[in-house]
Amino acid sequence: EVQLVESGGGVVRPGGSLRLSCAASGFTFDDYGMSWVRQAPGKGLEWVSGINWNGGSTGYADSVRGRFTISRDNDKNSLYLQMNSLRAEDTALYHCARGQSSGWYEGGFHYWGQGTLVTVSS
Amino acid sequence: QSALTQPPSASGSPGQSVTISCTGTSSDVGGYKYVSWYQQHPGKAPKLMIYEVIKRPSGVPDRFSGSKSGNTASLTVSGLQAEDEADYYCSSYAGSKNVFGTGTKVTVL
Repeated sequence: EVQLVESGGGVVRPGGSLRLSCAASGFTFDDYGMSWVRQAPGKGLEWVSGINWNGGSTGYADSVRGRFTISRDNDKNSLYLQMNSLRAEDTALYHCARGQSSGWYEGGFHYWGQGTLVTVSS
Repeated sequence: QSALTQPPSASGSPGQSVTISCTGTSSDVGGYKYVSWYQQHPGKAPKLMIYEVIKRPSGVPDRFSGSKSGNTASLTVSGLQAEDEADYYCSSYAGSKNVFGTGTKVTVL
């Protein structure tokens, strides 16, 4: 059974940093691209970032480019999102999601974690 | 990067069909075959319903179908059932990034 479990969320002040993790199991992690998708309270989905199977290709939403960094450790079956210079508008539930193939954008997001909540507030 | 445009709401009676549109540009929906659709029930993680415009993941009923014409993609739910009541989001690759739609709340009357 595919499982994606996010962690690392919490309350942080504006300008602060946070590192999210996503532990994957139930599939061969380095066969698949991965993404982070967030959802602000009561709002719609927003794609944040994606990474291909070996980390050689990444993509970022304009709203986070230059502040967030996606990475993965295939030996640890883990996906990460380093978030710096956090703003109030980054407050959201952050989901990790698995792609359909080795790339991060082809084939949609087939499996999702339940998410970890990030709150940016003074 | 603008969100794809979806109608805020759609509705139908049980057994009827409902179609949700997703309008983008030639830089996203119109330019690639990587359009997908997601169903989200309150308090739950999204679920993939359609990928690559028309493909259905295993386990998704064939009542759900996708299509695309130009810069607009569509999701049709045929034979509406009570459990289809949910929020639906489209998504498209947009060249080095991905973009979601604004979301549509489907109500089963």
